[in-house]
Amino acid sequence: SQKIEQNSEALNIQEGKTATLTCNYTNYSPAYLQWYRQDPGRGPVFLLLIRENEKEKRKERLKVTFDTTLKQSLFHITASQPADSATYLCALASGGYNKLIFGAGTRLAVHP
Amino acid sequence: DVKVTQSSRYLVKRTGEKVFLECVQDMDHENMFWYRQDPGLGLRLIYFSYDVKMKEKGDIPEGYSVSREKKERFSLILESASTNQTSMYLCASSLGTGTNEAFFGQGTRLTVV
Repeated sequence: SQKIEQNSEALNIQEGKTATLTCNYTNYSPAYLQWYRQDPGRGPVFLLLIRENEKEKRKERLKVTFDTTLKQSLFHITASQPADSATYLCALASGGYNKLIFGAGTRLAVHP
Repeated sequence: DVKVTQSSRYLVKRTGEKVFLECVQDMDHENMFWYRQDPGLGLRLIYFSYDVKMKEKGDIPEGYSVSREKKERFSLILESASTNQTSMYLCASSLGTGTNEAFFGQGTRLTVV
């Protein structure tokens, strides 16, 4: 069956360090993968998209990699800040109509 | 400013009631989604619509139905609410083609008592 897994339910890091979140998938062949941020009590907000032919994508302090052989995407936040504390979700489009399927998310806590 | 609006932020309903959750988007998007989100389980897709009157079941459609009579509006219906449907419900929309980032509403926290 198709599955999207994110590496851990929670990740705690010190301010200034790099946070690395993992998204693994099985039985999908996505043309692209998306990352979202969700704050408590709010809907997810789109952050970044990476296509299957792109190895890496950057946006300010964010970096995403995509390895279609390993079926894995890594999401990095460099020089992390307490304001980066949130849940981060990865998503894939499945099927002909771009139905979006999400992983369970990783809750990141950045401590001062 | 693009917008997905859900009709209620909080709802309390009784077991057995028929419940309607409404969602409206102003971006002329083809796709609309209903997800529920529970602690530890993430976002689970209930139903998906890719055009007016067109729908597709998601991972957990049991106990739910949907209606899309107009492009901008997608309704989720709980035919007979049960306590295990207490959850956060999130509506989203996206383009039907290309790289379709999803835009989410603010969510409806439904409690069934």
